This record gives sequence, C-alpha cells and structure tokens, in this order.
Amino acid sequence: QKEVEQDPGPLSVPEGAIVSLNCTYSNSAFQYFMWYRQYSRKGPELLMYTYSSGNKEDGRFTAQVDKSSKYISLFIRDSQPSDSATYLCAMSARNTGNQFYFGTGTSLTVIP
Amino acid sequence: EAGVTQFPSHSVIEKGQTVTLRCDPISGHDNLYWYRRVMGKEIKFLLHFVKESKQDESGMPNNRFLAERTGGTYSTLKVQPAELEDSGVYFCASSQAKTGRSYNSPLHFGNGTRLTVT
Repeated sequence: QKEVEQDPGPLSVPEGAIVSLNCTYSNSAFQYFMWYRQYSRKGPELLMYTYSSGNKEDGRFTAQVDKSSKYISLFIRDSQPSDSATYLCAMSARNTGNQFYFGTGTSLTVIP
Repeated sequence: EAGVTQFPSHSVIEKGQTVTLRCDPISGHDNLYWYRRVMGKEIKFLLHFVKESKQDESGMPNNRFLAERTGGTYSTLKVQPAELEDSGVYFCASSQAKTGRSYNSPLHFGNGTRLTVT
C-alpha cells in the first residue's frame, strides 16, 4: 500500500471555478502537510504548509487537514489559467526521520 | 536569494556509461536531499545530507549510486554504470531545518535533471 494516494486526474475546469484537490494517507503519524505546484519542466514549488489538523488560507488557496479521516485538501478559488500545473501533496512526521512522502500529483488545466 | 540549482537539466547516456549530477543548494541551507521521480510514479526519497554528513541514504537503490557533498556546499550524485531503470527526473532539494528537526522544514526544490538511459 502506498503511503500517500492522490488522484492523478487530469482535471479540467473553466476559469473562475473552485478547484478541490485531495490526498489520502495511511500513516497516522504524519503531522506536517504540504502542497506543491509544479509547472512543466520545473521543480515543485511550495504553495502551502500546515501542521496537524485544521485550515490554512493564503490568498485564493486554502489547505485543509482532517487527521481523523487521514485526508487533506487544497482548494483554489477563482481559478486562473496560470493555475494550470500539477499539484503534489507531501507529508512528513517526526518518526519518519528525514523523508517526505509525496503523492503522484494531480494535473490541473484551467480553461480561459 | 538564489534558489536550488541543478546541472545538467537533461542528460542522455547509454546503458553502462557514467553520469554525474550536480546540485547547489540555497546558501545557508545545511540540509540537502536527493529525490527521484520515475515516470508515472511519485517522487521518492534517495538520501539526505546535513552539511557534509550523510544522515540517511536508505532510499538509494543500489551501490551504483554514489552521492557526495564536498565541504557541506554543493552535492554530486554519480550513477555508475547506468541502467535503463535509472531513467527519471532527479530532484535536489534543500531546507533550513534545525539539527534533528528536518521533518518539519519544507523542502525547496531545484528544477531537476532529466536522465534518459538508452
């Protein structure tokens, strides 16, 4: 079983739509959760970083963590064509040492 | 602040040849990581340096892979001899984590080296 599961998509939405991206995980010890955005031929770029459960908002982006369900989400409001990219979730824990565990990424296209 | 830089961006080699990838982390970042993404799979951990010391190399596939970090600055990852299954994108990342707390400091990635072994 993979540590982190993420639907690869692809996901295609019209400009202005609300986008919901999700990951599930199996290791209940995960405490630190990240969302990365990756444009084609570029490296992953950190978007959001949260600790434990709850919500965090940054501009049009909201990250949610539900540790009881082992489920994290990233919401993008008023999506723009420039949001078209692959979105990766990642997580870590004190007892996973130095390793961060990644989802496979969801490919998002926002159509003008 | 300059980001993580990797060189080359793309390398095509034949099976059995040697390739060396280089990573320059963000200045001041003691933690340096190598990750790899094989096509269709998730990004997976290879190893972690703190300054010049290897903290964890449990993700290295086999002894054909050798990583070094000279003087705690840049790092190299050598694959010798390369096999077909080594093809993928090799990412370097760095973080400013305090000693022993690398798990809670997000990674900053380079653009990766796309390695193709034919």
